[in-house]
Amino acid sequence: SQTIHQWPATLVQPVGSPLSLECTVEGTSNPNLYWYRQAAGRGLQLLFYSVGIGQISSEVPQNLSASRPQDRQFILSSKKLLLSDSGFYLCAWSREIYLPLHFGNGTRLTVT
Amino acid sequence: AQTVTQSQPEMSVQEAETVTLSCTYDTSENNYYLFWYKQPPSRQMILVIRQEAYKQQNATENRFSVNFQKAAKSFSLKISDSQLGDTAMYFCAFMNAGNNRKLIWGLGTSLAVNP
Repeated sequence: SQTIHQWPATLVQPVGSPLSLECTVEGTSNPNLYWYRQAAGRGLQLLFYSVGIGQISSEVPQNLSASRPQDRQFILSSKKLLLSDSGFYLCAWSREIYLPLHFGNGTRLTVT
Repeated sequence: AQTVTQSQPEMSVQEAETVTLSCTYDTSENNYYLFWYKQPPSRQMILVIRQEAYKQQNATENRFSVNFQKAAKSFSLKISDSQLGDTAMYFCAFMNAGNNRKLIWGLGTSLAVNP
């Protein structure tokens, strides 16, 4: 069966510090991978998605970037965090583009 | 623009009873997909049920079923025999089956199942 791992579960970082969140999928090959952000009391906002190694599509302009160095690895990064980057970040995968999504457990990021 | 509206920010239900969560959407497309996701306090997002717009039969998954009214653009979720573990945030989501296959999310309904 397929599983998705996302870490860390919680993270507190100062403004201006770098960020690296990692997500890996097991049990499948060539998954479509996604990074979502969920702000408090809000729905989900798609940040990035990837259909293959090195292929990244950005949905919204922002302080964040994503990379896919391996088939089942998806990394969310920032060179300098802003206060507005605080939120709950969810990694997800799917067999078909966008449909349906299987989510990781999420990372709670607090920028102080 | 396509939108998804969940008009009930919070709901509560007694254990073993039935509750219905509402969702409406706006689209000019004919082919699309609809989803209900559940996010319990653990924060993991879990797919509950999905519906293809071309199917007239309402989707069912154990205690969860939907009432899909295509003409009314309504996609409500019914939870039967509610259990304490059903306490969660429930999100309705829409996806166009065409080229622009992006998930559009509602803002969610917080459901509390009371003992």
